[in-house]
Amino acid sequence: LAKTTQPISMDSYEGQEVNITCSHNNIATNDYITWYQQFPSQGPRFIIQGYKTKVTNEVASLFIPADRKSSTLSLPRVSLSDTAVYYCLVGDGSGGGADGLTFGKGTHLIIQP
Amino acid sequence: EAGVAQSPRYKIIEKRQSVAFWCNPISGHATLYWYQQILGQGPKLLIQFQNNGVVDDSQLPKDRFSAERLKGVDSTLKIQPAKLEDSAVYLCASSLRGGRGRDEQYFGPGTRLTVT
Repeated sequence: LAKTTQPISMDSYEGQEVNITCSHNNIATNDYITWYQQFPSQGPRFIIQGYKTKVTNEVASLFIPADRKSSTLSLPRVSLSDTAVYYCLVGDGSGGGADGLTFGKGTHLIIQP
Repeated sequence: EAGVAQSPRYKIIEKRQSVAFWCNPISGHATLYWYQQILGQGPKLLIQFQNNGVVDDSQLPKDRFSAERLKGVDSTLKIQPAKLEDSAVYLCASSLRGGRGRDEQYFGPGTRLTVT
């Protein structure tokens, strides 16, 4: 399983763009990168997934450089409601076992007014 | 579309007692997961089912934890006997195909267990 490293916490302000970077130096060829968001007292929620270059959906963008050893989740114009823990996962499911279903401690993002 | 349902939402028991949690996944989802989330940590996978079969239970403390998935749909997770360190939120998730790190997982609200 590819191990991921994220900052423990980040602060920002409403209306700003927030970028959270995840390092995954031993990512395998078939691995995908997936980000989840978790609010207190709720289960994690899927945000975005990518393999290479850039992926964008209605809530976020995911930037993956050519070497794929890191990825950056970009949240445009954050609001107070974006305060949550963000998890980066790497895996492919090519074999049995946990398949990249390892959540680290995540990044606690705090948005201030 | 109905989400993943879990019950109970909260449970308080004394150590050495037993407890069971129930999960109903999203209809049609082949894969079901149970996670344990201790305060301040990310979710830890306990067991993964693909339809009726167990795909991975390598992190399940089998001396006290057991889980089953009935007819490939609902699932129960049991702890017997409980220890203080089992205090955590137990999350159930399901995905359409599973067995793949690229399959989106849908999580339930979790059951918060307190062992005293």
